[in-house]
Amino acid sequence: DVKVTQSSRYLVKRTGEKVFLECVQDMDHENMFWYRQDPGLGLRLIYFSYDVKMKEKGDIPEGYSVSREKKERFSLILESASTNQTSMYLCASSWGFGTGRYNEQFFGPGTRLTVL
Amino acid sequence: KQEVTQIPAALSVPEGENLVLNCSFTDSAIYNLQWFRQDPGKGLTSLLLIQSSQREQTSGRLNASLDKSSGRSTLYIAASQPGDSATYLCAVPNYGGATNKLIFGTGTLLAVQP
Repeated sequence: DVKVTQSSRYLVKRTGEKVFLECVQDMDHENMFWYRQDPGLGLRLIYFSYDVKMKEKGDIPEGYSVSREKKERFSLILESASTNQTSMYLCASSWGFGTGRYNEQFFGPGTRLTVL
Repeated sequence: KQEVTQIPAALSVPEGENLVLNCSFTDSAIYNLQWFRQDPGKGLTSLLLIQSSQREQTSGRLNASLDKSSGRSTLYIAASQPGDSATYLCAVPNYGGATNKLIFGTGTLLAVQP
């Protein structure tokens, strides 16, 4: 079974702090994703990566950056946390591009981040 | 621009009932459609992926159908149980744009009453 893990289930940080959210997948997937989920807004894509050191902006990249130094690990970085970044953050991975099952996405358990 | 909607937004049924969740999408040019389940405060669990060439996909008590021409998918849950209570989301990959970006529906919150 595909396993996607996230470093923390719950996290509380102060405004202005630098925050790192880590995601690890164990299936040698090419693609990894970071989403945030907010009530009434659904899931929104922040960034995705299709290879080591490669990244693409999603719909809401402002205030975030990412790092992918190894294939299995994808980090989301909040350079200076703000209260409007309080949210549920979800990481996902998939094998690669293409039709069929290649782009089936598998999600981690989520990190509930609160910024005070 | 692809848009995905789910109706109803919420559904409450007694245990044992068979039920259908609906998912509609505006652009029929899709690679596949994925159904997820989300428990409160948790991540998404992939239930079924139905490919564009398929009409149905089954897993246990779950059956997903796909009608691309009408832009619709349904998730059929047989003999519902209280443990099926969750939010169900459907999603399609972004066609022609950044491949693999999923466009999610609004979700259906299901409550199965014991």
